Amino acid sequence: QSVLTQPPSASGTPGQGVSISCSGSSSNIGTYYLYWFQQLPGRAPKLLIYKDDRRPSGVPGRFSGSKSATSASLTISGLRSEDEADYYCATWDNGPSGSFVFGTGTKVTVL
Amino acid sequence: EVRLVESGGGVAQPGGSLRLSCAASGFIFDDFTMHWVRQVPGKGPEWVSLINFNGAFTRYVDSVRGRFTVSRDNSKNSLYLEMSSLRAEDSALYYCAKDTTSGYSGYEVGNFDTWGQGTLVTVSS
Repeated sequence: QSVLTQPPSASGTPGQGVSISCSGSSSNIGTYYLYWFQQLPGRAPKLLIYKDDRRPSGVPGRFSGSKSATSASLTISGLRSEDEADYYCATWDNGPSGSFVFGTGTKVTVL
Repeated sequence: EVRLVESGGGVAQPGGSLRLSCAASGFIFDDFTMHWVRQVPGKGPEWVSLINFNGAFTRYVDSVRGRFTVSRDNSKNSLYLEMSSLRAEDSALYYCAKDTTSGYSGYEVGNFDTWGQGTLVTVSS
């Protein structure tokens, strides 16, 4: 099991807003930058948000990230059908061995 | 165009070995840290290893440390993952990914801006 916990699913109708939480601890989210990845079916993960709240060029403005203490969230404002995908938070964890870790993942369904 | 192409996957027996390769193009390969990430179909990604820009520093997830070795040949714009003592639980789609840093600390890595299409590894007798 991952040290980063996400809800298994989230859903909304087109145009609605959806938020996905990512819960960790002081050894990961509380210390290091947080990243979000989107994975469409059959595709490699794609960077969606980097360094907590920054959007790479080409990522639509409806995606935003935030972080507070040991939790983070990804918000999709104005859901579109093409946003139906799996979403993963990720960061470094300075546990006994230190490693990069991905969250448990959230499947977003557009109703 | 920035591109990563993995190869070398296949079927290996438990206890066996495989060498994965990742060919990079479209960017200055020796400026950036590179990663291997694996994913069992239907499950989430798992970070496996990283190597910094010049190969001097490497890091591994606990489950592969001592069995897998990451390396790079900057003259060939290539990244490698030597896998030995393979186990059934190593079966997964293996991706290489480019970072935007040249470093290796937890404060620097994670910005995986480019991924390959993956190469499938199956460990089975």
